[in-house]
Amino acid sequence: AQKITQTQPGMFVQEKEAVTLDCTYDTSDQSYGLFWYKQPSSGEMIFLIYQGSYDEQNATEGRYSLNFQKARKSANLVISASQLGDSAMYFCAMREEPSTDSWGKLQFGAGTQVVVTP
Amino acid sequence: ETGVTQTPRHLVMGMTNKKSLKCEQHLGHNAMYWYKQSAKKPLELMFVYNFKEQTENNSVPSRFSPECPNSSHLFLHLHTLQPEDSALYLCASSLTTGVVNEKLFFGSGTQLSVL
Repeated sequence: AQKITQTQPGMFVQEKEAVTLDCTYDTSDQSYGLFWYKQPSSGEMIFLIYQGSYDEQNATEGRYSLNFQKARKSANLVISASQLGDSAMYFCAMREEPSTDSWGKLQFGAGTQVVVTP
Repeated sequence: ETGVTQTPRHLVMGMTNKKSLKCEQHLGHNAMYWYKQSAKKPLELMFVYNFKEQTENNSVPSRFSPECPNSSHLFLHLHTLQPEDSALYLCASSLTTGVVNEKLFFGSGTQLSVL
């Protein structure tokens, strides 16, 4: 079963505006990590931001912030002041705590394509 | 020099050809991964190596054969592929496996077309 759901296949956003990319996840674990990656047309997946399940504060990295709502199992990425270079595919991913049954594979959502317009 | 380097960037091969994809990481990591990215599908994990030992084979057909001679190099040997194997193949590395906050570092991928 799909553990990471990104419901927005594509979005247009105007330069300098903020955009929120949705991500919901499914786990029964108490300990897990949430990641966001950016994939420009060049192909490389670039790590953006990480949120641990026990982190009390929402993670921030420059113009990226993560709106973590644990009870709702959502980890939305907010990009502030969008730039043309932000046009890319964005992937949400989750890793559950390794156990005897699972070594802790990073599981990816289907991605959201963001196009920033002038 | 980028952390994870993949060659070639593009590859076109016939179904009877044999080719290899190469991945090299300069980050001092111990774990390396092969992922397949097809259009309109989530990333699919193919293989994982940790300290040169294969720790995951995600039911990948035998026409894909990985090789990890050391912690810095990873190969994917391809033979008698099918057109549905056309995809972007991404290599990644991490310091180790099995740590919740461990992030993966990816290469730029090899875009493979099978004719």
